[in-house]
Amino acid sequence: ETGVTQSPTHLIKTRGQQVTLRCSSQSGHNTVSWYQQALGQGPQFIFQYYREEENGRGNFPPRFSGLQFPNYSSELNVNALELDDSALYLCASSLGQGRDTQYFGPGTRLTVL
Amino acid sequence: KQEVTQIPAALSVPEGENLVLNCSFTDSAIYNLQWFRQDPGKGLTSLLLIQSSQREQTSGRLNASLDKSSGRSTLYIAASQPGDSATYLCAVRSDNTDKLIFGTGTRLQVFP
Repeated sequence: ETGVTQSPTHLIKTRGQQVTLRCSSQSGHNTVSWYQQALGQGPQFIFQYYREEENGRGNFPPRFSGLQFPNYSSELNVNALELDDSALYLCASSLGQGRDTQYFGPGTRLTVL
Repeated sequence: KQEVTQIPAALSVPEGENLVLNCSFTDSAIYNLQWFRQDPGKGLTSLLLIQSSQREQTSGRLNASLDKSSGRSTLYIAASQPGDSATYLCAVRSDNTDKLIFGTGTRLQVFP
């Protein structure tokens, strides 16, 4: 059984640029959630996708957007990057609309200069 | 609005001690509560999931309890080892949402 994978591992961007982060869910999981974790803080929920539809969103502006593909992998896109977007971005997958155990990937460390 | 608090923020103990990590939440209407472990710069590893109808869950040296009415959960670690050193996060899922709300974590160091 393959776990949750994320790419890239690290990324450096400058203010105003756009970035795309990728996540492959664990085999058999149809729900993917994205979280932002600033240094020293707990993860903050960005949004969740269930069977290719957005199924819940946290308090993040519209420049944070996402997609889920038919194979249940997912992308997180962030436009017009700001310095405060520097964080660890975590992807989690689960069964049944996120009501069971969520399994997290290793994360993507984004640095915005 | 659900808020999750973890106490203490940091803990340093000698190897072999039994220890308790605390998690409290403001809204008792939760679906479940999950404890995670996070090593520095890494993703989260799920340790235990307690459904709202359950009182506790056990896995090896770990035991998590849930008192929904008082808004509290504890993670008990028996016979701590240096390999237990990590940040421990608790997260709740409320009935009417699918998102996890996390505390800020307890950073644990177990020294030989």
